[in-house]
Amino acid sequence: AQSVTQLDSQVPVFEEAPVELRCNYSSSVSVYLFWYVQYPNQGLQLLLKYLSGSTLVKGINGFEAEFNKSQTSFHLRKPSVHISDTAEYFCAVSESNNNNDMRFGAGTRLTVKP
Amino acid sequence: DAGVIQSPRHEVTEMGQEVTLRCKPISGHNSLFWYRQTMMRGLELLIYFNNNVPIDDSGMPEDRFSAKMPNASFSTLKIQPSEPRDSAVYFCASRPVGSYEQYFGPGTRLTVT
Repeated sequence: AQSVTQLDSQVPVFEEAPVELRCNYSSSVSVYLFWYVQYPNQGLQLLLKYLSGSTLVKGINGFEAEFNKSQTSFHLRKPSVHISDTAEYFCAVSESNNNNDMRFGAGTRLTVKP
Repeated sequence: DAGVIQSPRHEVTEMGQEVTLRCKPISGHNSLFWYRQTMMRGLELLIYFNNNVPIDDSGMPEDRFSAKMPNASFSTLKIQPSEPRDSAVYFCASRPVGSYEQYFGPGTRLTVT
């Protein structure tokens, strides 16, 4: 079965600085990849997804991610963060032959400081 | 659309009591998922339904847990009897036909004392 590793449990950054949240996955078949954001006391909201095609995926709120098959990675980036980006970010993977089984990483807590 | 609706948002109960969590998926979505989120184990899939039929309940931790989907607009997750280790946030998510994106509800925070 597929699995996801988020390498950083917490990432503190200053406002307007760039940020990268790292995600690596493991699977023996082709995959679909997702990044979700969770604000306090709320459910998860989809930021972006990779299904096929261009490996650079743009999402909402200025985030983007790049699928790297050789590195089995799907890192999330934003060139300039805002205080409002403070949240928990989850990377998720599902296998193309079973998209009902989505596995989530442990999450990365992004804290943007003024 | 109102999004996925879950109730209650918070539930505090004593050990041994029955707990029922409710979910109303987005209209027209044919798949429904129940997840549990804890600090120790992260986000875990408990069970999912396609067209109201339970497909995979291998994530349900014990027989104390059961889930039903009597129709396309309503699902319940029941814990009987509840235990302190069941304390967690329970999320419901739905997904439309042909899509890979799941839409999450706001969650129910369950505390069992």
